[in-house]
Amino acid sequence: NAGVTQTPKFRVLKTGQSMTLLCAQDMNHEYMYWYRQDPGMGLRLIHYSVGEGTTAKGEVPDGYNVSRLKKQNFLLGLESAAPSQTSVYFCATRKDTYSYNEQFFGPGTRLTVL
Amino acid sequence: EDKVVQSPLSLVVHEGDTVTLNCSYEVTNFRSLLWYKQEKKAPTFLFMLTSSGIEKKSGRLSSILDKKELFSILNITATQTGDSAIYLCAVIQGAQKLVFGQGTRLTINP
Repeated sequence: NAGVTQTPKFRVLKTGQSMTLLCAQDMNHEYMYWYRQDPGMGLRLIHYSVGEGTTAKGEVPDGYNVSRLKKQNFLLGLESAAPSQTSVYFCATRKDTYSYNEQFFGPGTRLTVL
Repeated sequence: EDKVVQSPLSLVVHEGDTVTLNCSYEVTNFRSLLWYKQEKKAPTFLFMLTSSGIEKKSGRLSSILDKKELFSILNITATQTGDSAIYLCAVIQGAQKLVFGQGTRLTINP
């Protein structure tokens, strides 16, 4: 039982390159979230999904796309990376609407865009 | 605009001191307020508060919510160096989303 895993853990990109971050969970949770964390900014929601095949925009969605083709995976894509996207990215999952305290976080991905 | 504001943003105290961290919020469709502790990696869950005036306790940590004045506090007594971390406050908005504050960076010096 791995919980929530994120791949990769670290990545350095050049401006304009693309990449995909993978979040995988084995807890059968319905809800999955992508956040970014910048110094002094707390966690800001990028996109989220309330079930397989669904996605929705969060607070800071510009420059990112997501897909949830399988319940256990939530992918975050950067089509053309910019230095402003340098951040630590966290994936989180929650069982369902009623499990407010059961938002589990992945270990994070540190992304640097040069 | 929905917002969660934490204060102070940074706090340095000596081991053994008691600290109080603050979280105020203005969020539509409030459901609950959560506190997380974040050390080097992912945030870990501390408390969930849904009702006003009911204190939640876990060892030296305690927290309470005031839904009339729209704030919560997190108290840590007899602090230890292992309490050094970023403490995050988040409000559950509606059924699906969490709105996070900026975090308070707490440093405990021996």
